[in-house]
This record gives sequence, C-alpha cells and structure tokens, in this order.
Amino acid sequence: QVQLVQSGAEVKKPGASVKVSCKASGYIFTSHYVHWVRQAPGQGLEWMGIISPSDGFTTYAQKFQGRVTMTTDTSTSTVYMELSSLRSEDTAVYYCAKARGSWYEDYWGQGTLVTVSS
Amino acid sequence: DIQMTQSPSTLSASVGDRVTITCRASQTINNWLAWYQQKPGKAPKLLIYRASSLESGVPSRFSGSGSGTEFTLTISSLQPDDFATYYCQHYNTKYPYSFGQGTKLEIK
Repeated sequence: QVQLVQSGAEVKKPGASVKVSCKASGYIFTSHYVHWVRQAPGQGLEWMGIISPSDGFTTYAQKFQGRVTMTTDTSTSTVYMELSSLRSEDTAVYYCAKARGSWYEDYWGQGTLVTVSS
Repeated sequence: DIQMTQSPSTLSASVGDRVTITCRASQTINNWLAWYQQKPGKAPKLLIYRASSLESGVPSRFSGSGSGTEFTLTISSLQPDDFATYYCQHYNTKYPYSFGQGTKLEIK
C-alpha cells in the first residue's frame, strides 16, 4: 500500500533552517511528482511547491521562492523540503503528498509540525 | 496566479441534509479540480478529482460538478462522519496549484 512517512516534529529559532523528509513506499517513486503543502495553526492549506523525482524538476510558489529547496534521493525513495530564514509565521504542519502523475495529491504523509520560536 | 474562492466559509447542517459547497476559479481551469476532506489533526483526504470523478472508496453520497470557473461539491445525505473541513484545489497546468480557503461543515 502507498505510504508516505515524514520526519518528526522540529523546533527552530528564527533565522534557522529546517529540513523535512518524506519517505515513500508502495508505488513507483519516479513515476509520480510529490507536492509539499503547509497548514498554519487554525488556517487553511497552502501549496508550497512540487518536485519530480525522476528528473528533479521543481516549481515553487512565488511566496517561497528563494527560501525553499525541494530535493529527492531516488536510492531511498525520499523527498526533502528545506525552508530557510525561518520566522514565526512559518510555524505550521508541513505535509508531503504523492501526486497522481503530475496532478492532484492522492496520498498524504502524516504531517510534520515545525515550530519557530525564540 | 489562479485564485480559488469557496463559499460559504462555514456551513451548519444536520444529519440527513443535502449540502452544497461552491468553488470559483479566477480564470478557467476546464475541469482540473479536486476536492478534499480534512478532519482535525489529520491529513486531507482526496474525495473528487477532475471535477466530478469519485475517488475509489469514497461514498457515493459525495458528488462533484462544474467546469470552467464554477464548481460544486454536494453531499446528498449528511452522515455524522462528514462533519469536517472541505477544500477545493485546481491543478490546471499553471502553477501554483492553489487551494480554496476551506469550508467548515458544522453540526447544526
């Protein structure tokens, strides 16, 4: 069965970086893009970007351009999302999600809470 | 960027009611629209894709319709498990694949 297992919760200070991992299993890793979506406490879903594990193609939402980097390791079927220059407004649950092809999200990770606090 | 606007933001209804949530896109997205259900503390769950195709395993009381810029999600007879927050998302070829702001379905 398809599973996306994310790394554990993180607490970071303002200005630091965080790197969240997402290990995929149960499907052909290189055949499906992976999305990253975040959700601040009590807020809606915010699409951050997408990566193609087959060729490393990435597209990021303009809001995160220059601060976010998505990468993949095909040897371990793992996708990473690194967000730098963290501020308190980045406190959120970060989700990875498998795309159906390169489209919508059909399977989601369990989420990783990132707390930014001094 | 394509903006997605849902209405209403909150909806109060009773078990057995028929409810409809609307999602509007700021420009045409053909039928490249998905609907998700999210419960507190949980990841979203895919309900509908391509505007009207029901995801496998999703109860048939959920249905989607629309094309172009206006879309609806209908629950034909609300069940206790359906009280949650619902999001639409476009996946037109133009990134970003933005979400609507969400509709919280509450028990009346």
